[in-house]
Amino acid sequence: GENVEQHPSTLSVQEGDSAVIKCTYSDSASNYFPWYKQELGKRPQLIIDIRSNVGEKKDQRIAVTLNKTAKHFSLHITETQPEDSAVYFCAASINTGGFKTIFGAGTRLFVKA
Amino acid sequence: SAVISQKPSRDICQRGTSLTIQCQVDSQVTMMFWYRQQPGQSLTLIATANQGSEATYESGFVIDKFPISRPNLTFSTLTVSNMSPEDSSIYLCSVELRAAQYFGPGTRLTVT
Repeated sequence: GENVEQHPSTLSVQEGDSAVIKCTYSDSASNYFPWYKQELGKRPQLIIDIRSNVGEKKDQRIAVTLNKTAKHFSLHITETQPEDSAVYFCAASINTGGFKTIFGAGTRLFVKA
Repeated sequence: SAVISQKPSRDICQRGTSLTIQCQVDSQVTMMFWYRQQPGQSLTLIATANQGSEATYESGFVIDKFPISRPNLTFSTLTVSNMSPEDSSIYLCSVELRAAQYFGPGTRLTVT
């Protein structure tokens, strides 16, 4: 079955710096890659996603890249702010007919003011 | 996105008892999912519940322990049966809507 590995497990950056979180997946049939932000005590919130027919997607300070050949995808946050501090989860999903999502272990991001 | 609510938001239960968690969505959705999240951990899929069919359980989860109902396109329940302290966790429902997945606020369960 699908396996998603996520690195690093913890990331600490200075406010204004960039943060990069990387994930790899094992199942080449995966075609949908969402990223979730989870603040303490709250639900996972979908912040950006990318589908397998696209190599890069950007939304303001957040961007995601996908390398299907290497089975890698990454989240990039630029100009980080303290409110970006949270746990971020990557996921890989097979979204054809059914829908099954496997999550990475999560990255705890600290943005220091 | 979808507006998803869960009841109860939290509960403290005694071992050996059962708790039913409700999930309500403001849109009609075909696929609903139930996840478990241990403190500080990732999300683990318990089962997929499609309206009109039996729920599909992931490895390590069985229907006798986690029976699921899906009576219509906007509602589902998950029961945690014969609870033990190891069942203490956050249980989240999730839906697929327009090829994206959204989560409810979760139910924090503590078993004493």
